Amino acid sequence: NAGVTQTPKFRVLKTGQSMTLLCAQDMNHEYMYWYRQDPGMGLRLIHYSVGEGTTAKGEVPDGYNVSRLKKQNFLLGLESAAPSQTSVYFCASSYSGLAQQLETQYFGPGTRLLVL
Amino acid sequence: GNSVTQMEGPVTLSEEAFLTINCTYTATGYPSLFWYVQYPGEGLQLLLKATKADDKGSNKGFEATYRKETTSFHLEKGSVQVSDSAVYFCALSEKDGSEKLVFGKGTKLTVNP
Repeated sequence: NAGVTQTPKFRVLKTGQSMTLLCAQDMNHEYMYWYRQDPGMGLRLIHYSVGEGTTAKGEVPDGYNVSRLKKQNFLLGLESAAPSQTSVYFCASSYSGLAQQLETQYFGPGTRLLVL
Repeated sequence: GNSVTQMEGPVTLSEEAFLTINCTYTATGYPSLFWYVQYPGEGLQLLLKATKADDKGSNKGFEATYRKETTSFHLEKGSVQVSDSAVYFCALSEKDGSEKLVFGKGTKLTVNP
């Protein structure tokens, strides 16, 4: 049981390049989230999904797109990377249908992205 | 909108000292409240939570009580250890069906031997 995994761990991009971050969870969770973490800002929600085939915008969605084609995967895309997107990205998942696990989010180890 | 305000850091303590990290929130309705911890180089993990007023969450010697009258959820530990050095995040869960978390900015704790 790996929990939440993220690929890649670290990436350097040039301005204008595109990339996709992959999040996978093996806990059969319904809900998945993408956050970015910046110094002094805490974690801010980018996009989230409440089930396979659904996505919704969070607090800071501009410049990002997401897809949830399979329940276990949640992809975050940057179509044209900008230096302002330099950050650490965390994926999280929650809610396996058990009431006592509702609301508790399980986080991946993070992806560090540097945009030059 | 909903928000969480927590004590600015960094906080530096000696081993066995008492720890308090303040957290207050603004929310419509009655959110659930959480403390997450992030150890160096890792993702966040749940430390404790409380789902209704007057609930006390506890784990690993840490405690926090959901105070509706003061809209607070302060984190306390009676005797910190070097291994408690981490960043601590207070968060609330929005009750809109999405279970989205709203985080405070985090408080870095360093415990010296």
